[in-house]
Amino acid sequence: EAGVVQSPRYKIIEKKQPVAFWCNPISGHNTLYWYRQNLGQGPELLIRYENEEAVDDSQLPKDRFSAERLKGVDSTLKIQPAELGDSAVYLCASSFGLAGGRSDEQYFGPGTRLTVT
Amino acid sequence: QKEVEQDPGPLSVPEGAIVSLNCTYSNSAFQYFMWYRQYSRKGPELLMYTYSSGNKEDGRFTAQVDKSSKYISLFIRDSQPSDSATYLCAMSGPYGQNFVFGPGTRLSVLP
Repeated sequence: EAGVVQSPRYKIIEKKQPVAFWCNPISGHNTLYWYRQNLGQGPELLIRYENEEAVDDSQLPKDRFSAERLKGVDSTLKIQPAELGDSAVYLCASSFGLAGGRSDEQYFGPGTRLTVT
Repeated sequence: QKEVEQDPGPLSVPEGAIVSLNCTYSNSAFQYFMWYRQYSRKGPELLMYTYSSGNKEDGRFTAQVDKSSKYISLFIRDSQPSDSATYLCAMSGPYGQNFVFGPGTRLSVLP
């Protein structure tokens, strides 16, 4: 079974440029998460989707970050414009969610390592 | 005070040692407790998943939850060099809300 797929794996951009990350969750997983992980720290939740609805985006910096999950499957996370402090690994995860009878068994993709110069 | 705290590490042990990794938390509403392992330049992978207090064993790994003390532990028996990774505790409320990771402990098992 294929795991969570993310692309690109690495991205280097100059500050003030836009950038987008793509995630394809595990088939059948209703819940999708985007996290940001800074070096030496645990992942921090940016946004959680239940199907196509964003149910928790309280930690998403909405002035420059946006996300969408059209048709409740793939998702994109966008930053515009990027700042130096956005350099981090952006992780996507998915889970069955409560509808599948399981709670928080999240499965992570390999992440996108973003460097803003 | 952070919501979830974890032994800072890094931790180095010889092969075959018993490893104890610990987290404390402040939110008494947490009911689901997890341990993830993260290898360098990879995403975290779920190791152990427990609900409420008690112990759960899976091979060389044992997860322990003490809700009264707001303390969780992961024990690794007969540690192997392949166990070298960062270990992240994570927890959430009864409906998956307020999901939060600890900062992680980096473990090195030396051959």
